[in-house]
Amino acid sequence: ETGVTQTPRHLVMGMTNKKSLKCEQHLGHNAMYWYKQSAKKPLELMFVYSLEERVENNSVPSRFSPECPNSSHLFLHLHTLQPEDSALYLCASSQNLAGRDTQYFGPGTRLTVL
Amino acid sequence: AQRVTQPEKLLSVFKGAPVELKCNYSYSGSPELFWYVQYSRQRLQLLLRHISRESIKGFTADLNKGETSFHLKKPFAQEEDSAMYYCALSGRTGGSYIPTFGRGTSLIVHP
Repeated sequence: ETGVTQTPRHLVMGMTNKKSLKCEQHLGHNAMYWYKQSAKKPLELMFVYSLEERVENNSVPSRFSPECPNSSHLFLHLHTLQPEDSALYLCASSQNLAGRDTQYFGPGTRLTVL
Repeated sequence: AQRVTQPEKLLSVFKGAPVELKCNYSYSGSPELFWYVQYSRQRLQLLLRHISRESIKGFTADLNKGETSFHLKKPFAQEEDSAMYYCALSGRTGGSYIPTFGRGTSLIVHP
């Protein structure tokens, strides 16, 4: 599959569970992003990675832990989440972190925390 | 700090009517601005960038530095334009450009 893929597409978890979201890009890009999209708030940037180094952590609670093992893969590890963390989590990639670079988005993972 | 404001949460028009989705930004430097669109059941995707000065699907957007605006316009709306539209700014933070999105405007085009 080309572009940006995300798995799983849907996830239901309890507050004590540990789960991980996976993102993979097949575009040869060097930068990857995690966003949270919920009904009540605008698109929130969570983390930014460039060449596997984290360059932005937007005051995200520590129950969200990102990992970028290589430039094609990005993970978001989840543990002891709260119901208010239920949202659509979007992954995106761009060629670099240059101002003019377009972001390419994945389809998202719909997360429900019970 | 950089900020993007889309004042309208919802914009409802009839087919054939002109459309203008407003976007205002706050940024001290020279901004890179984008419009992204999300159609129903599809992923968020780029519509146009200010640097390209192009028209995509009949939409145009002009950067007005004096008014710090980047409004999206289309002279005649079509039903297939119904979607969620996000204005985004890419601003320099340290050595990298970090994106900031507006809250989005839902455009509904009625037949």
